[in-house]
Amino acid sequence: QITLKESGPTLVKPTQTLTLTCTFSGFSLSTSGVGVAWIRQPPGKALEWLALIYWDDDKRYSPSLKSRLTITKDTSKNQVVLTMTNMDPVDTATYYCAHRYTLAGAFDYWGQGTLVTVSS
Amino acid sequence: DIVMTQSPDSLAVSLGERATINCKSSQSVLYSSNNKNYLGWYQQKPGQPPKLLIYWASTRESGVPDRFSGSGSGTDFTLTISSLQAEDVAVYYCHQYYRTWTFGQGTKVEVK
Repeated sequence: QITLKESGPTLVKPTQTLTLTCTFSGFSLSTSGVGVAWIRQPPGKALEWLALIYWDDDKRYSPSLKSRLTITKDTSKNQVVLTMTNMDPVDTATYYCAHRYTLAGAFDYWGQGTLVTVSS
Repeated sequence: DIVMTQSPDSLAVSLGERATINCKSSQSVLYSSNNKNYLGWYQQKPGQPPKLLIYWASTRESGVPDRFSGSGSGTDFTLTISSLQAEDVAVYYCHQYYRTWTFGQGTKVEVK
């Protein structure tokens, strides 16, 4: 059974750096074809993909946010970490991590999400 | 970026009636080497994460009721709920994974 859970601060100040951790179980990020992504959703708005890391450490970033994002993995801990620098109130959103496997292509398992509010 | 545009933004359908949601991509998401459309559909209920319904444009995820079906190819896709049930009230998103990943703006489905 695949599960993912996001953790991190619920409130950050403008200009600060956000660090979120996705802790997962039921799969290994060393298995060929597996990836873990971060996706966010501002309140009442649509989904926005942010970053994805593959089993082979290949990393992809949203072009519009690439300069602010870093995604890393710790295979031994079953964790993926996303950092986002220079946070702004427009970055207020629920942040999800999700599993991707090449068989389906799409994101087939999602965490429950964590709401991050950016405010002074 | 490949832009995904859904229509309508919202629709109200009577219970038991058909609901149809359209999704158009700004460029083809059909990969010619394997003839697969890199297109998925999600359902999101309030306070919940998105749930994958359909992938490869028409393959139903395990456990998804067969009243949900996906169709289309290239740039034009459709999600159909053949007989709307009360539990289908949600926002539905299309999603392309042909080149990085982008989502449509969502379509809210309500009961008339």
